[in-house]
Amino acid sequence: GENVEQHPSTLSVQEGDSAVIKCTYSDSASNYFPWYKQELGKRPQLIIDIRSNVGEKKDQRIAVTLNKTAKHFSLHITETQPEDSAVYFCAASDPNSSGSARQLTFGSGTQLTVLP
Amino acid sequence: EPEVTQTPSHQVTQMGQEVILRCVPISNHLYFYWYRQILGQKVEFLVSFYNNEISEKSEIFDDQFSVERPDGSNFTLKIRSTKLEDSAMYFCASRPVANTGELFFGEGSRLTVL
Repeated sequence: GENVEQHPSTLSVQEGDSAVIKCTYSDSASNYFPWYKQELGKRPQLIIDIRSNVGEKKDQRIAVTLNKTAKHFSLHITETQPEDSAVYFCAASDPNSSGSARQLTFGSGTQLTVLP
Repeated sequence: EPEVTQTPSHQVTQMGQEVILRCVPISNHLYFYWYRQILGQKVEFLVSFYNNEISEKSEIFDDQFSVERPDGSNFTLKIRSTKLEDSAMYFCASRPVANTGELFFGEGSRLTVL
């Protein structure tokens, strides 16, 4: 099955700096890569996702890049703010497998702390 | 905005007791999932459900676990005889039939086994 590795496990940045979190995946059939933000005690919430037919996607201060050849993808947060502090999880999935509800396989998470 | 809802938000139980966690997925979604998250660890897949049957299950989802969709709205996870290591946050999630891929998570049910 799919295996997703994520690093770093913790990341501290100064407010206003950029943060980068990286993930690798093992299953070349995976073609959907979401990033979830989880605040303490809350549900994971989707912040951005990318499909394998695209190399980069941007949404305001958040961007994701995907290298299918190398099987890795990254989350970039620019101009970080204290409210960006949370645990971020990457995930991979092949949601288009016919007849099956392919699940997400999550990375181990990155605790991002933005210092004011 | 429609949400996945879960009950209870927190349940404390004695080891060996049966527990049922309940979920109401978003009404037009067709794929349903249970995940668990042990404190401080990653979100782990338990089981997926589609067309009134289990689609996939992980190694965690052993004979002590079962899922049901008893009516048109609820989706339940039953743990028959709880163990200490079942203590975790259990998240229900659902996905629409359209291939967006996005999973919508509920707020979670925290299970504490004493």
